[in-house]
Amino acid sequence: KNQVEQSPQSLIILEGKNCTLQCNYTVSPFSNLRWYKQDTGRGPVSLTIMTFSENTKSNGRYTATLDADTKQSSLHITASQLSDSASYICVVSDRGSTLGRLYFGRGTQLTVWP
Amino acid sequence: EADIYQTPRYLVIGTGKKITLECSQTMGHDKMYWYQQDPGMELHLIHYSYGVNSTEKGDLSSESTVSRIRTEHFPLTLESARPSHTSQYLCASSASRGDYGYTFGSGTRLTVV
Repeated sequence: KNQVEQSPQSLIILEGKNCTLQCNYTVSPFSNLRWYKQDTGRGPVSLTIMTFSENTKSNGRYTATLDADTKQSSLHITASQLSDSASYICVVSDRGSTLGRLYFGRGTQLTVWP
Repeated sequence: EADIYQTPRYLVIGTGKKITLECSQTMGHDKMYWYQQDPGMELHLIHYSYGVNSTEKGDLSSESTVSRIRTEHFPLTLESARPSHTSQYLCASSASRGDYGYTFGSGTRLTVV
C-alpha cells in the first residue's frame, strides 16, 4: 500500500533554533517528492520538489534531502522564525499514471515560540 | 499575477441548502483538482479534471459534483448540504509539462449546521 508517514506529529521549538522533520514513504513507482508549508486556514505552499536523481534542494532557510534507496526525506529548517509556525506536509508522486497521483502525509505541526 | 482563487473563504450554511464553491486560476493550467481536508488529517482527492469537459471522481467518495466548462474555472457543487460535509475544501491546479508543481488556493472552510 502506498503511504507517506511523517514524524514527529508535532514539534515546538524556540525562535532561532534549527529543526528537522522526517518523511518516510512506500510509494512506488516514485516520481518526485515535495514539501509544502500550510499555514492555518490556508492552502499549502510549495517549498521544494525533488526528483529521483536529486538528493538535496534548498529554498532559503529550508533544505530538503532525499534518499530514494531508503525512501526517506527530511526537511531542515535553520534559524527558525515565528512565521515558520505551520504544518509541513510531505507529498510523494508516482509515475504510474498520467495523473501523477499525489500521496499526502498528515503533516508535522511546527510551533515556534519567542 | 498568476494565481488560483477560491471563494468564499468561509461559509456557514443550513442543512439541505445547495452550495457552489468557486475556483478560478489565471495560469492557464489544464489540470485542476479538488481536495478535502479535515483538521490534522491528510488531503484527500475528491475530483479532478484534465481539461475542458473532462471531470473524474477522486479517491475519496464525495456527494459533490464538478464542472469544467472553461479552462480557468472549476466549481464544486453540493446539491443538498449535510453536517457530514463540514470540512475544508482546497482547489489546486497544475500544468501538464514542466516540474508538475501544484498551486493550491487558500481553501473554503465549509460548516453545515
